[in-house]
Amino acid sequence: ETGVTQTPRHLVMGMTNKKSLKCEQHLGHNAMYWYKQSAKKPLELMFVYSLEERVENNSVPSRFSPECPNSSHLFLHLHTLQPEDSALYLCASSQDVAGGREKLFFGSGTQLSVL
Amino acid sequence: QKEVEQNSGPLSVPEGAIASLNCTYSDRGSQSFFWYRQYSGKSPELIMSIYSNGDKEDGRFTAQLNKASQYVSLLIRDSQPSDSATYLCAVNNQGGKLIFGQGTELSVKP
Repeated sequence: ETGVTQTPRHLVMGMTNKKSLKCEQHLGHNAMYWYKQSAKKPLELMFVYSLEERVENNSVPSRFSPECPNSSHLFLHLHTLQPEDSALYLCASSQDVAGGREKLFFGSGTQLSVL
Repeated sequence: QKEVEQNSGPLSVPEGAIASLNCTYSDRGSQSFFWYRQYSGKSPELIMSIYSNGDKEDGRFTAQLNKASQYVSLLIRDSQPSDSATYLCAVNNQGGKLIFGQGTELSVKP
């Protein structure tokens, strides 16, 4: 496996369900990110982790809960989501936290539909 | 004013032509600029980065940066149908945050 892998690729869930998105990076990077991509909108940064420590949380509702057990793995736990949370959720990694010339490497994303 | 602004398109060019994609940004202290390409149903992929005023060429791609005008562009020479994608401009602002534009959809017609 190379790069950044995300599972599942597609997820359909009801508003009362609990599910988790998983991301794994094989690049030896220190920083990992969750982004949300909605149609016709810019990528929205949700969470940033640097060496397993959360360094940024962009006013994301508490129904999204990230977890970073080590520098290679990142999870996004979902519960009681709303239909407007339907979007493509992208995981990314970079050598260090993007504060200068860091380049992001994205996973293939999870297309989430909330019914 | 949006922090990073792009025309959403679609921009349609014939095969072999030059495609010109534009991006403006609001934070004058921004230092790093990136272009990502995103095919439909796929994730963004970095294709160019530029940090200094002027042009940077990589194969058929040229990034142009003008910090005085707060403007960055991407030129694609000899456009191919395989270049059809959405192109995302990303700017690392003075606060160290990477801000994305909404993307420009490019369609290259055979």
